[in-house]
Amino acid sequence: NAGVTQTPKFRVLKTGQSMTLLCAQDMNHEYMYWYRQDPGMGLRLIHYSVGEGTTAKGEVPDGYNVSRLKKQNFLLGLESAAPSQTSVYFCASSRGGYLTDTQYFGPGTRLTVL
Amino acid sequence: AQTVTQSQPEMSVQEAETVTLSCTYDTSESDYYLFWYKQPPSRQMILVIRQEAYKQQNATENRFSVNFQKAAKSFSLKISDSQLGDAAMYFCAYRSLRRSGGGADGLTFGKGTHLIIQP
Repeated sequence: NAGVTQTPKFRVLKTGQSMTLLCAQDMNHEYMYWYRQDPGMGLRLIHYSVGEGTTAKGEVPDGYNVSRLKKQNFLLGLESAAPSQTSVYFCASSRGGYLTDTQYFGPGTRLTVL
Repeated sequence: AQTVTQSQPEMSVQEAETVTLSCTYDTSESDYYLFWYKQPPSRQMILVIRQEAYKQQNATENRFSVNFQKAAKSFSLKISDSQLGDAAMYFCAYRSLRRSGGGADGLTFGKGTHLIIQP
């Protein structure tokens, strides 16, 4: 039982390049989330999904797209990376949308955009 | 929009002593949860403790306890008998149900407090 895993762990991009971050969970959770963490800041919600085939915008969605084609996977895409997207990205999942449902976090992906 | 404020960027405590980390929040919701997460240098986010707004009794998990003052919108974390392994960033977080229905929002985090443990 690996919990929440993220691929890759580190990545360096040039401005304008595109990439996809993969989040996978093996807990059969319905809800999945993408957050970003910038220096001196807490995590901020980018997008989330309440089930397979669904996505919704969070607090800071601009410049990102997401897809949830399979229940266990949640992909975060950057179509044209910008230096402002340099950050650490965290994926999380929870069993459902109840307040009591704990969010479990992945180990994070450090992305640098030059 | 909900906001979470942690006014202490950094705190330092002697090993075996007690330290309290502060958190205030702003919300108009009546039902919500509050959390403290620990982030060590490994970056892994670890849930330390959580509190439901409807419960008057303060949550406790071993050496970690909270002081929840709902009227004051305050949610502080007390760490007793501090240990070297407690050194980390600590984030206060909030979660409520979406006003549009359909379940809970994602977490709203404060900026964090860097806790240093002096041996």
